[in-house]
Amino acid sequence: DIQMTQSPSSLSASVGDRVTITCRASQSISSSLNWYQQKAGKAPKLLIYAASSLQSGVPSRFSGSGSGTDFTLTISSLQPEDFASYYCQQSYSTLRTFGQGTKIELK
Amino acid sequence: QVQLVQSGAEVKKPGASVKVSCKASGYTFTDYYIHWVRQAPGQGLEWMGWINPHSGDTYYVQKFQGRVIMTRDTSISTAYMELSSLRSDDTAVYYCARDPLRFPYYYMDVWGKGTTVTVSS
Repeated sequence: DIQMTQSPSSLSASVGDRVTITCRASQSISSSLNWYQQKAGKAPKLLIYAASSLQSGVPSRFSGSGSGTDFTLTISSLQPEDFASYYCQQSYSTLRTFGQGTKIELK
Repeated sequence: QVQLVQSGAEVKKPGASVKVSCKASGYTFTDYYIHWVRQAPGQGLEWMGWINPHSGDTYYVQKFQGRVIMTRDTSISTAYMELSSLRSDDTAVYYCARDPLRFPYYYMDVWGKGTTVTVSS
């Protein structure tokens, strides 16, 4: 199985901050990496697919980068509605796997 | 609009089975895989497997093999996930999500709202 490791597990930030979350795969997954946002009590929402492609309707302050084993999700200027949990997920293998999640909390 | 509507919450006793449904609308059901993902209370997302609604082919995480069956009824655009021999640690919210199969990149672009399954004696 391909293991996905996110860091940090949680972070405290303020509105307007630039935030970066890292995701590392246990083996190369090319660009087969997706990012999801999940708010409390809600279903996950797709933000980024194929490592860097912004899903339709997602604000441009979200961006993704990386390939191979190392990936990042960046929020350029954190907004109040961005306080949530974020998960990476690899789709390189038939057996999909998620990272353990990163929770962004208000500082 | 495109949506996946899941069945309502369930409470089951240990050892019982549960069958969750996921009804698709707004798109051609057989053109997209359906994934099942669960989330235990306070925990992260756990992928369980997928079904190809066109062929009925399935793929399950080994952890669930022998206990999970994913099926579909194309006549009513509905996918099902049945989990048997329930244990307390199967208590979770179960989500279905579709995959548009944009080779070579695969992702879950539309999700159901989730079905809470509680296993308790």
